[in-house]
Amino acid sequence: DTGVSQDPRHKITKRGQNVTFRCDPISEHNRLYWYRQTLGQGPEFLTYFQNEAQLEKSRLLSDRFSAERPKGSFSTLEIQRTEQGDSAMYLCASSSTGGARVKYFGPGTRLTVT
Amino acid sequence: AQTVTQSQPEMSVQEAETVTLSCTYDTSESDYYLFWYKQPPSRQMILVIRQEAYKQQNATENRFSVNFQKAAKSFSLKISDSQLGDAAMYFCAYRVNNNDMRFGAGTRLTVKP
Repeated sequence: DTGVSQDPRHKITKRGQNVTFRCDPISEHNRLYWYRQTLGQGPEFLTYFQNEAQLEKSRLLSDRFSAERPKGSFSTLEIQRTEQGDSAMYLCASSSTGGARVKYFGPGTRLTVT
Repeated sequence: AQTVTQSQPEMSVQEAETVTLSCTYDTSESDYYLFWYKQPPSRQMILVIRQEAYKQQNATENRFSVNFQKAAKSFSLKISDSQLGDAAMYFCAYRVNNNDMRFGAGTRLTVKP
């Protein structure tokens, strides 16, 4: 198993454009999480899936953000009409269901909105 | 609200010495999990150590150990025999039975050769 992967690793976009990020979790993990991390801060929870169901969303996840996990495997996070305040590292993590549900993180996608 | 506070934005330690990173949290829950994650520069976050709140014994993983004081809501990380590869951002995190893991702002650890 190669761990959690994310694509792209870096994205530069102009304000107002739409962007989409992809996350591939560890194959046997049925939970998948999205976090946002700004410079000098810890990650902030955005949303999580159990299999294909999106079970929880943070108030940080505005209407311009949408996440999907259509087949319970990979997930996408789309940001519509990007704003400069969306510039951040977007982290994906996966975990199993039981116990401590230790999260394994991907390398992140760094978004820069110009 | 559940919050996690790391009061030391930066710490430094001499190679082979011991360093302790502080973390406090605020919760009304009795059952929860605590974690320390390490994020090396430009690399992904990895789990260092975890502690279940119902366990009184402090967790240990090789050179890493915690001092968990439940009444004081304190969860510090001790790194013994520090190595150059320990240099990273360290995040303390807290989770109850939902999936909203809360992270502190992090402590940047520098290891001096």
